Amino acid sequence: DGGITQSPKYLFRKEGQNVTLSCEQNLNHDAMYWYRQDPGQGLRLIYYSQIVNDFQKGDIAEGYSVSREKKESFPLTVTSAQKNPTAFYLCASISSGQSYNEQFFGPGTRLTVL
Amino acid sequence: ILNVEQSPQSLHVQEGDSTNFTCSFPSSNFYALHWYRWETAKSPEALFVMTLNGDEKKKGRISATLNTKEGYSYLYIKGSQPEDSATYLCAFSTGYSTLTFGKGTMLLVSP
Repeated sequence: DGGITQSPKYLFRKEGQNVTLSCEQNLNHDAMYWYRQDPGQGLRLIYYSQIVNDFQKGDIAEGYSVSREKKESFPLTVTSAQKNPTAFYLCASISSGQSYNEQFFGPGTRLTVL
Repeated sequence: ILNVEQSPQSLHVQEGDSTNFTCSFPSSNFYALHWYRWETAKSPEALFVMTLNGDEKKKGRISATLNTKEGYSYLYIKGSQPEDSATYLCAFSTGYSTLTFGKGTMLLVSP
């Protein structure tokens, strides 16, 4: 079945360590997105990419980095510069970068900093 | 940063009750309005994407309306069932490729 996979489901990190969250889609979608969810907050956009080798910062990009070397993959690195990284992270994609198309979401990764 | 407001924050109804939620968004520079259902331990799934003022969309017992001039959308669930229990997210776009999400309305339907 086509869809979006994220791994791992749960991730634990020590303070000061960088960690990379995986997002893969086999939907042949052009655009991919990373969101963060905190308790009592809506989904907030971290980074997005509309095409391979190109990406843009979202509302809360500080302390994060991304790459888009392949159409199907959009990994997110949470760096040690991210002050409060404990959160739930969702990856999404759209068939084209048009916001009148529905977004498809992965199952998410819960990151906990120990 | 755009502000998208959803109300109520949470709702507890009995099976068979009908219910509705509100999503408020800036009325200027409207491009699209999305509704998603997010069940526990699952991924959010799209319910509706609406782009035109006056749009009404329906999927089974769930329907939505859109008023872009005054900046609101309603989501209605007729005859709520326990399987409707989920968080319902509204998201708004002013442009080409990004969405701004509200905090969601958490619905619990008791048998």
